[in-house]
Amino acid sequence: GQNIDQPTEMTATEGAIVQINCTYQTSGFNGLFWYQQHAGEAPTFLSYNVLDGLEEKGRFSSFLSRSKGYSYLLLKELQMKDSASYLCALRTDSWGKLQFGAGTQVVVTP
Amino acid sequence: GAGVSQSPSNKVTEKGKDVELRCDPISGHTALYWYRQSLGQGLEFLIYFQGNSAPDKSGLPSDRFSAERTGGSVSTLTIQRTQQEDSAVYLCASRGTGNEQFFGPGTRLTVL
Repeated sequence: GQNIDQPTEMTATEGAIVQINCTYQTSGFNGLFWYQQHAGEAPTFLSYNVLDGLEEKGRFSSFLSRSKGYSYLLLKELQMKDSASYLCALRTDSWGKLQFGAGTQVVVTP
Repeated sequence: GAGVSQSPSNKVTEKGKDVELRCDPISGHTALYWYRQSLGQGLEFLIYFQGNSAPDKSGLPSDRFSAERTGGSVSTLTIQRTQQEDSAVYLCASRGTGNEQFFGPGTRLTVL
């Protein structure tokens, strides 16, 4: 299986930076996704890493190290609207089947 | 519509009754996925369909759960003899030729 671990909750102030870690144990996977989910809403796509390294997209960046079994999502210049749950997910086959972590609730305070 | 739609948005049922949940994927998307999200939990994979291939049912928690996809488009998830532990939000997602799965708003199922 692929145990996927994320912190349950993180709190940060508006304008700050927060790094959400995701660790996993697996024998193989196709890629790693990050999704954002606001309370009561559907998850929305943030990033997809296949190769090791950093992918940057505006205020959000995602990093993957396959050898270390580790990824992180970096949120810069935090805004109140960034308060949400952030889900790490492994793509486990070529058809796109995803296995999700439990999610990290980020609370942004003024 | 432009996105994935699901109906109903909320469903309250009594223990032992059957329920049907519907998903309309984005037009042209060949892959369709069902997930379940219990309170405070991550998304749990249930089943997926890819084109005309046999579906991957490996995530269905019991034989009370089944799903079908008619004409390569609309999908229905059926739960027979519902139990209280089936209470959750059921999310559907579809995918085209890219990697991203697009999620619907979900159906919140409450079994009394």
